[in-house]
Amino acid sequence: QKEVEQDPGPLSVPEGAIVSLNCTYSNSAFQYFMWYRQYSRKGPELLMYTYSSGNKEDGRFTAQVDKSSKYISLFIRDSQPSDSATYLCAMTLYAGGTSYGKLTFGQGTILTVHP
Amino acid sequence: EAGVVQSPRYKIIEKKQPVAFWCNPISGHNTLYWYLQNLGQGPELLIRYENEEAVDDSQLPKDRFSAERLKGVDSTLKIQPAELGDSAVYLCASSSLGQGAGELFFGEGSRLTVL
Repeated sequence: QKEVEQDPGPLSVPEGAIVSLNCTYSNSAFQYFMWYRQYSRKGPELLMYTYSSGNKEDGRFTAQVDKSSKYISLFIRDSQPSDSATYLCAMTLYAGGTSYGKLTFGQGTILTVHP
Repeated sequence: EAGVVQSPRYKIIEKKQPVAFWCNPISGHNTLYWYLQNLGQGPELLIRYENEEAVDDSQLPKDRFSAERLKGVDSTLKIQPAELGDSAVYLCASSSLGQGAGELFFGEGSRLTVL
């Protein structure tokens, strides 16, 4: 079993829909949680970054972390065709030491928003 | 500000041939990473550098892979000899210690095909 599980989709939604993307994880020591967006043939780019449990909102994007359930989510409101990409969840253990920058990624969810 | 630059973007080689990838991180970023991304999967860390020191190379297959970061700036990842299973995207990323634990800036990747 992988440390981080993510439904690969693909997910296809109409423009304007609310999108929900999710990941579950098994290591309760993870403390920092990220969502990266990866366009086709490009590198991942950081979208959202949260520490521990709770919600974080940035424009049309909301990230939720529930450490008790080992479950994180990304919501996209009013989805646009330009949101079509692969969304990767990622997490890491600590802010420093040997775990710094050692991200454990999910396999990514392919999202298509059609006009 | 220029992002992380990688070259070549694409490389096709015969198995058993050597190949090298080059990365120039964002100016001022002292931490550099090489990640491997197989098709349909999330990236996996190969090696992390703090300046010119490799502080985490536990996931680097040292029998055929090598990396260096001379002068603590540019880095090169080499595979010799390449095997069919090495076909993947090799991502370079960089970060600054002043940033959050998961805030990595990725290049566009070097896509390797081994025939």
